[in-house]
Amino acid sequence: GAVVSQHPSRVICKSGTSVKIECRSLDFQATTMFWYRQFPKQSLMLMATSNEGSKATYEQGVEKDKFLINHASLTLSTLTVTSAHPEDSSFYICSARTGQGPYEQYFGPGTRLTVT
Amino acid sequence: GENVEQHPSTLSVQEGDSAVIKCTYSDSASNYFPWYKQELGKRPQLIIDIRSNVGEKKDQRIAVTLNKTAKHFSLHITETQPEDSAVYFCAASKTNDYKLSFGAGTTVTVRA
Repeated sequence: GAVVSQHPSRVICKSGTSVKIECRSLDFQATTMFWYRQFPKQSLMLMATSNEGSKATYEQGVEKDKFLINHASLTLSTLTVTSAHPEDSSFYICSARTGQGPYEQYFGPGTRLTVT
Repeated sequence: GENVEQHPSTLSVQEGDSAVIKCTYSDSASNYFPWYKQELGKRPQLIIDIRSNVGEKKDQRIAVTLNKTAKHFSLHITETQPEDSAVYFCAASKTNDYKLSFGAGTTVTVRA
């Protein structure tokens, strides 16, 4: 149980275009989803916290107009990277809380974004 | 916000030896401390976690200790095997927001 999927697994886009990444909880309802970014050989950095039906909360230094997050249902959150630039190339990972156990988060497999 | 420091950044051990990774945290309100193993290009996998009301937890070859007073926690891997080679991350979280703050990671290499 507690499976999280992401789509696509990897995407290549041209500079200036927008890319949407989906995060789904497959067998549970996720009260909260988190979006992380991980650059090569670096740690995971939290970008934003997403609660179903409400606006996402962004971490300091993360541009909310550039990284649009929508959490329209209890099983789906989307991250849209708008006007992508090469410096946005990274590994984007989502996680989800079940709301049953108080702590554990379940991670998606990640999306490798390359902006050319 | 929470600041988690992790040491060492790299660790090379002989197969069968033990590996220890140490983390410190800054926010005394943090009360949940998970450890993750991440292989290249894959998602982080939870390997063990500890809550602030416990000082030590063990799961087969893996153990975690927590010193709340000193605000540090450690991962111990005994009888290391080549498949233990990966990047390990510590993290800290608290129940008011459940956000995970990660350490910088430790690349563990187990030499056969």
